[in-house]
Amino acid sequence: AQTVTQSQPEMSVQEAETVTLSCTYDTSESNYYLFWYKQPPSRQMILVIRQEAYKQQNATENRFSVNFQKAAKSFSLKISDSQLGDTAMYFCAFMNHLDDKIIFGKGTRLHILP
Amino acid sequence: GAVVSQHPSRVICKSGTSVKIECRSLDFQATTMFWYRQFPKQSLMLMATSNEGSKATYEQGVEKDKFLINHASLTLSTLTVTSAHPEDSSFYICSAREVGRQNYGYTFGSGTRLTVV
Repeated sequence: AQTVTQSQPEMSVQEAETVTLSCTYDTSESNYYLFWYKQPPSRQMILVIRQEAYKQQNATENRFSVNFQKAAKSFSLKISDSQLGDTAMYFCAFMNHLDDKIIFGKGTRLHILP
Repeated sequence: GAVVSQHPSRVICKSGTSVKIECRSLDFQATTMFWYRQFPKQSLMLMATSNEGSKATYEQGVEKDKFLINHASLTLSTLTVTSAHPEDSSFYICSAREVGRQNYGYTFGSGTRLTVV
């Protein structure tokens, strides 16, 4: 069974700083997708970034980028120039190509301080 | 972009009654929808996979007779919590994938906070 581990329950950084959220996963599959979702206080799940396992190039979406290390099964999220609106719960997620279910990590609560 | 509407956003029901939660894909067709449960300050736990026109697939430990799922059309899935008890109080979230775009991630509804009193 696939598992997703986020080892940082909570983090705080100053506005405009860069922060990296860690995520590791375990799978025996070779074809899969990884995601970072954001859940602000409204509790609406918002897709931040996605990565296909077969792509070596790290995904980037504006201030958000990932460091995907397939051999190490690591998928960290870097937020540059952090903003107050980035305050949220961040979930790392894994999707198996075979059954298309999304499995979530326990989440990291990120606080951006003014 | 793809939008998933979930209704109601909040519901309070008495113990022993049933409550239905709707999940609609507004601008796309979804052959598959997923239902999650989220306890306070915890992650999303997958409850079941809802497939249009067929029976739902439940995750281990989820009571299929308590959590009835119906996916009667390509845009609507419903979750009915039957004979609700206080321990069923939780935040329920649905998600849907657009046909042919499942690899792009899933769109989530805004969730339903269920309180059983």
